[in-house]
This record gives sequence, C-alpha cells and structure tokens, in this order.
Amino acid sequence: AQSVSQHNHHVILSEAASLELGCNYSYGGTVNLFWYVQYPGQHLQLLLKYFSGDPLVKGIKGFEAEFIKSKFSFNLRKPSVQWSDTAEYFCAVKPNAGNMLTFGGGTRLMVKP
Amino acid sequence: GAVVSQHPSRVICKSGTSVKIECRSLDFQATTMFWYRQFPKKSLMLMATSNEGSKATYEQGVEKDKFLINHASLTLSTLTVTSAHPEDSSFYICSATRGEVRFFGPGTRLTVL
Repeated sequence: AQSVSQHNHHVILSEAASLELGCNYSYGGTVNLFWYVQYPGQHLQLLLKYFSGDPLVKGIKGFEAEFIKSKFSFNLRKPSVQWSDTAEYFCAVKPNAGNMLTFGGGTRLMVKP
Repeated sequence: GAVVSQHPSRVICKSGTSVKIECRSLDFQATTMFWYRQFPKKSLMLMATSNEGSKATYEQGVEKDKFLINHASLTLSTLTVTSAHPEDSSFYICSATRGEVRFFGPGTRLTVL
C-alpha cells in the first residue's frame, strides 16, 4: 500500500515570500500525484495534478509542483504567496492502476499580511 | 463550479439516533464514490468505497453496520450513521471521480450530543 508524508505541518510566511511544501510518497509502481487545497470553511479543491509527461506541472493561482521520481517527491511551490493563500494543503497519491487515493497529513499555511 | 454536492452541510443529533448524509455527483455519473472522515487538524481518512449496485467496500476498522452506505443510482450515494454517539462527531466528506480527477463534496459536519 502507498503512503504519503508531508513534513511541514505548519508554515507561517509573510506576503510575497516564496513557498515550498514538501511531499514524499512510498509506492513501488507508477502513480498519479495531486495537490489539494482546503480554504477555511470550504471544501477540498484540486490545485494541480501529475499523471505523466513534463514533471513540472503548473496549477491554478500560480502554484506549481515538480515530480522527482528518484526522490519519490512532489513538492509544491509558489514564488510569491498572498494572504489569500492561507489554507491547508494536502498532497495525495493514487496508483496509476487503482482507486485508492491516499492523503498526506496536510500542511497548514498561514500568510501574514 | 461544484461537481459534487452533499446534504446536509451541518447536522446536530441526539445520541442514539441515526443520521443520513447524501452525496450527489452533478452532471456526471459516478459508479464509484468515496466516503472520508476528517478529524480536527487531521487529514482525510478513507472510510469506504461506495459501488453503484453492489456492496460498499469498507476500510479496516470501519464498522459496516454502523456506517451504512447505499449507492442506489449513478449520481447518489448515502451514508447513514446508525445509533450515533458523541465519538461519531466529525466532518464527513464524499468524493467522486470524473475522468482522472477526484472531486470532493463540501462536507457534512455531524455533531452528536
């Protein structure tokens, strides 16, 4: 079975700072990778996804993530955060052949204005 | 816009009563839906996979007689928490896959008094 680890549980940044949230997974086969965001009081929304091809994927709201297969990582980045990025971010992994979507523990991001 | 809806968004009930939560896929058919539970400041834990026209598949540790799942149509799955107790208070989230992406409902906050 796969597992997902997000190393940063809480991150506090000032506006305009750069963001990188770590995500590592363990699984022996081909995977699909996702980052979801949950804004306060709202439901989970998809930020970006990786299935195949270019390992650098761009998502909504200026976010991007890079899949590094050798490191089993899929870190999320944003060059300049805004106060409105305050939310909880979840990395998720699904085997390419299968239905099981496994979430990391989440990272709570607070951006100070 | 939203592709998965849940009803109700919030419910408070007395201990011992049963509560039904509905999950609907909007504008698409979902042969499989997923029910998650999210504890405060924790990630999503998969409870069960709901299969249209057949029995749900429950994750280890989830009581199938307590959390009844019915997937009666291609757009509707229901989760019934039977004989609810205060420890069942939580945030329940359903999900459905459209294409390759898992979309999540807005969640139902259950409070058992």
